[in-house]
Parts: sequence; C-alpha cells; structure tokens
Amino acid sequence: AQKITQTQPGMFVQEKEAVTLDCTYDTSDQSYGLFWYKQPSSGEMIFLIYQGSYDEQNATEGRYSLNFQKARKSANLVISASQLGDSAMYFCAMRGGRAAGNKLTFGGGTRVLVKP
Amino acid sequence: KAGVTQTPRYLIKTRGQQVTLSCSPISGHRSVSWYQQTPGQGLQFLFEYFSETQRNKGNFPGRFSGRQFSNSRSEMNVSTLELGDSALYLCASSGRGTSMESTDTQYFGPGTRLTVL
Repeated sequence: AQKITQTQPGMFVQEKEAVTLDCTYDTSDQSYGLFWYKQPSSGEMIFLIYQGSYDEQNATEGRYSLNFQKARKSANLVISASQLGDSAMYFCAMRGGRAAGNKLTFGGGTRVLVKP
Repeated sequence: KAGVTQTPRYLIKTRGQQVTLSCSPISGHRSVSWYQQTPGQGLQFLFEYFSETQRNKGNFPGRFSGRQFSNSRSEMNVSTLELGDSALYLCASSGRGTSMESTDTQYFGPGTRLTVL
C-alpha cells in the first residue's frame, strides 16, 4: 500500500520569503511519480510540479522546486519568493506502479497563508 | 485548450435520492479518474475509466458507480444518498493512460460540491 504523509497542517509565511512544505512517502514500488497540487479556496486542484522516481535531478517549475531525497523517501516542495496568491492548501500525491493505474494517493495537505 | 469541466458545480439532495455527476476531460485525454474530498477523510480515489472500461477502483460501496462514453466524457452516480456522501467530487483527466510513465499528469476539474440533507 502507498502512503503519503504531510506533517505540517498549516503554516504562515511572509510575502517574498521562501517556504518549504514537507512530504514523506511509503511505497514498495520501484517506479513511481510524485506530484504537488495547489488547491485554492475555490476548490480546483492545480498541478504544480512532478518528480519521477528515476529522475536524478530535482524538478523545478518557475518558483516551485522539489527537493527529492529518494533514500529518505521525501519529496519536499519549495516555493520561492512567496506571493499573496500562494495562500492555499497544498497536497503531495503519489502515483505508483502498473497495478495502480492512474490512481493518485494524496497526503492530508498543508494550508499555507502568506502574510503581506 | 479547454480544461476539465464538471457539471453541475453545486448540488443539494436529500437522503435516499440518487445523483449523477458529469465530467468532460481535456480534449484528447482518454483517462478519467474520480476523487471524493471530505474534511474528515481527505482526498480518496473512487475509480478510473479508460476507453470506456473501469480500470481501477477505490474502496467505496457499490452505491458509487461510474461510466465512460466513447467521447471520453464520464459520469458518476451515487444511489441511495447518505449524509456522509456530502463532499467535493473531483474529476481528473490524463493523456495516454496506457503508459506507466509517471509523467502522465492528471489535470483536475473545478469539482462538484454535493450536499446531502
């Protein structure tokens, strides 16, 4: 079974500062993918960044970067230069091996509030 | 190109009724997955459809069912509604779905918020 753990239920960050959101995972699959999604109060899940289990380099997408430490089974999201619009829930998710199909397993989420 | 669309956006039903939610995937996407989001249970996978076939199913009772049409549009149905079915139902589509490359990212719709009274 796959499991995603996000230990920070909520956090405040000052505008223009960087913030790191923690994510640890557990899986027996050798091939898997890790995703981060943002969910504003409107409810829509917005894809942010992806990291494959065999990717040797950490993924980056604009102000988002993923700190992937495979041996520790962690996939932390770093948001640089926080903006007020970054206030939202953030979910870490994993897609596992062939048997999992397109099923995503989600963590409990971290609520981020950016302060001006 | 247009994103994933879901209808209706909001729905209010009473216990015992049934409901049908609709999802139109991104053009060209063939895989559609459904998720239920509640404050208590978080995001849980319901099922996935690909080429009109259910490919994967989560741990939900048989009251939850779905289908996919030849144009990849999908519907999910919940029969005999219970209070605990109140949730945000999210639909996600992805491209190929046949490959196990994990880069096949799922893109979500805005969700249908179902309230059961």
